[in-house]
Amino acid sequence: RKEVEQDPGPFNVPEGATVAFNCTYSNSASQSFFWYRQDCRKEPKLLMSVYSSGNEDGRFTAQLNRASQYISLLIRDSKLSDSATYLCVVTLLSSGSARQLTFGSGTQLTVLP
Amino acid sequence: EAQVTQNPRYLITVTGKKLTVTCSQNMNHEYMSWYRQDPGLGLRQIYYSMNVEVTDKGDVPEGYKVSRKEKRNFPLILESPSPNQTSLYFCASSPKTGVGNYGYTFGSGTRLTVV
Repeated sequence: RKEVEQDPGPFNVPEGATVAFNCTYSNSASQSFFWYRQDCRKEPKLLMSVYSSGNEDGRFTAQLNRASQYISLLIRDSKLSDSATYLCVVTLLSSGSARQLTFGSGTQLTVLP
Repeated sequence: EAQVTQNPRYLITVTGKKLTVTCSQNMNHEYMSWYRQDPGLGLRQIYYSMNVEVTDKGDVPEGYKVSRKEKRNFPLILESPSPNQTSLYFCASSPKTGVGNYGYTFGSGTRLTVV
């Protein structure tokens, strides 16, 4: 079983739609959670951190459910520029206090005009 | 501008010819890491470094070496590249080790082809 699992998609949605991505993680000791965005052939960029209480940044809302080991990302009023791959990322403290980031394989989103 | 700089961006090489991919960050970050990204497999960690002279293996270290002689630089060395090392490579850095919501800053990537 993968440590971080995401539905690979692709999700094809019309402009203006609301779309939600889910992610599950296997290690209950995971400590920090992020969503990254990656455009085709480019580097991943931090979209937002995910906090236990849930957090919002403009059209983007992230939720964390530690009991179910589940993270979600909601995008409202989708724009063409939201087309990208969204990566779910969790961190874990390993030996030597190193924070290890584990990436999901990503969910591909295409917003259609 | 705060950034992680990787070079080269593209590289085609032959099997067995040693190569180095450089990575440099100007943010005084303690933590640096190398990843490779392959279709369907996502980003997998090769090596990481918690600070100068402190390096450790990630999930897929075979065939790679790293060094961290200075805080800003973290080169990736392929002593004898093979075709299965054809991949997209990313260097990343983060302010600190330990618990905290520190995201990573990634370099622009190096697309390596080994023929």
